[in-house]
Amino acid sequence: AQSVAQPEDQVNVAEGNPLTVKCTYSVSGNPYLFWYVQYPNRGLQFLLKYITGDNLVKGSYGFEAEFNKSQTSFHLKKPSALVSDSALYFCAVRDMKDSNYQLIWGAGTKLIIKP
Amino acid sequence: NAGVTQTPKFRILKIGQSMTLQCTQDMNHNYMYWYRQDPGMGLKLIYYSVGAGITDKGEVPNGYNVSRSTTEDFPLRLELAAPSQTSVYFCASRLTGGNYEQYFGPGTRLTVT
Repeated sequence: AQSVAQPEDQVNVAEGNPLTVKCTYSVSGNPYLFWYVQYPNRGLQFLLKYITGDNLVKGSYGFEAEFNKSQTSFHLKKPSALVSDSALYFCAVRDMKDSNYQLIWGAGTKLIIKP
Repeated sequence: NAGVTQTPKFRILKIGQSMTLQCTQDMNHNYMYWYRQDPGMGLKLIYYSVGAGITDKGEVPNGYNVSRSTTEDFPLRLELAAPSQTSVYFCASRLTGGNYEQYFGPGTRLTVT
């Protein structure tokens, strides 16, 4: 079955340190992968996507993600965390069996950046 | 450009009551979606629409209905509210084509008691 896993419910990082939020996936074929961020009491916002091309994808707010086909992973990264990065982060993958390209969502990872 | 708007922001329903959650987008997007978000869980797709007059069930459609009479509007109807429908509901939309980026509304927090 197709799925997305975010193995960490919560990630704690000190401000200024690099951060990584993990995502692994299981789909048939070439995946389309996405990261979204949700700030408190807000809707989700698109951060970045991988469809094809370079394995390192750059997105909004200084975030980037690395697609690793052999490890079926798409980890979100940022070189230097800000307190304002504290939010809920969702990884998603396109359902390759759905002609309308629905997304399969991970459960989310809460990122806490401490001053 | 307002994007995706949802009303109301909050609502408390009694068991058995009905209500409609409103969703409107002004981006001329063909695709629209309704999700629910339960604590500690990812988004679950309730219904979606690929254009005016066309709707289809998602992963968790039971207890809900939708309609899409215009490109802009995609209301979600709860007919007989149950405590299991306590959740945060998000509406989203996207363009047809290769971008796949979904734009989300701010959500409706619904409590059924």
